[in-house]
Amino acid sequence: QSTLTQPASVSGSPRQSITISCTGTITDVGTYNLVSWYQQYPGKAPKLIIFEANKRPSGISNRFSGSKSGNTASLTISGLQAADEADYYCSSYAGRSSWVFGGGTKVTVL
Amino acid sequence: QVQLVQSGAEVKKPGASVKVSCKTSGYTFISYGLSWVRQAPGQGLEWMGWISAHKGNTQYVENLRDRVTLTTDTPTSTAYMELRSLKFDDTAVYYCAREGGGGDFDFWGQGTLVTVSS
Repeated sequence: QSTLTQPASVSGSPRQSITISCTGTITDVGTYNLVSWYQQYPGKAPKLIIFEANKRPSGISNRFSGSKSGNTASLTISGLQAADEADYYCSSYAGRSSWVFGGGTKVTVL
Repeated sequence: QVQLVQSGAEVKKPGASVKVSCKTSGYTFISYGLSWVRQAPGQGLEWMGWISAHKGNTQYVENLRDRVTLTTDTPTSTAYMELRSLKFDDTAVYYCAREGGGGDFDFWGQGTLVTVSS
């Protein structure tokens, strides 16, 4: 399996909105709505923030939203805050009990 | 509350094997699958494989298929990941993660650093 394609870095000013893209193929993102997003701080385990492309787990801020169109999924962070500075990874189910991750995006709050 | 607690850091020589444990609690063990994900220093997440805690069937990423084995022990609600013939570039933090049912990983272990060094 290949990794999903994410931009290496995205930055924004406080209170702005940013969007991170995650591009896969017809064998993963394009076929399954099972795209999830994770937030990871340095030295910490990843944390689920979006599942099934656009659903938020309990306790996750509604400033985080997800969408999917064709082979590309997106994560939008609105009202950017200093605490949002972290690495973000997308993941997609790829069939036959297999998964693939994106290469990760470093979000910087200017 | 759901918890996944992994075994401690390991230092191994090239060619050796390592077995990392992931003890779960707070949910019905056999109701969820578990994946293992690794992260080399400064790198991204790599999905390694999945095991059904109910039936024990497994799936592995192609490039590790001949060196990794996932197992579970239902009485202790513990999952294991064994990686053989270790190479220097197997140095990474290894995570276990519960499959949430929506194709996501909803709970993660704290990670286990495996260092391969001569």
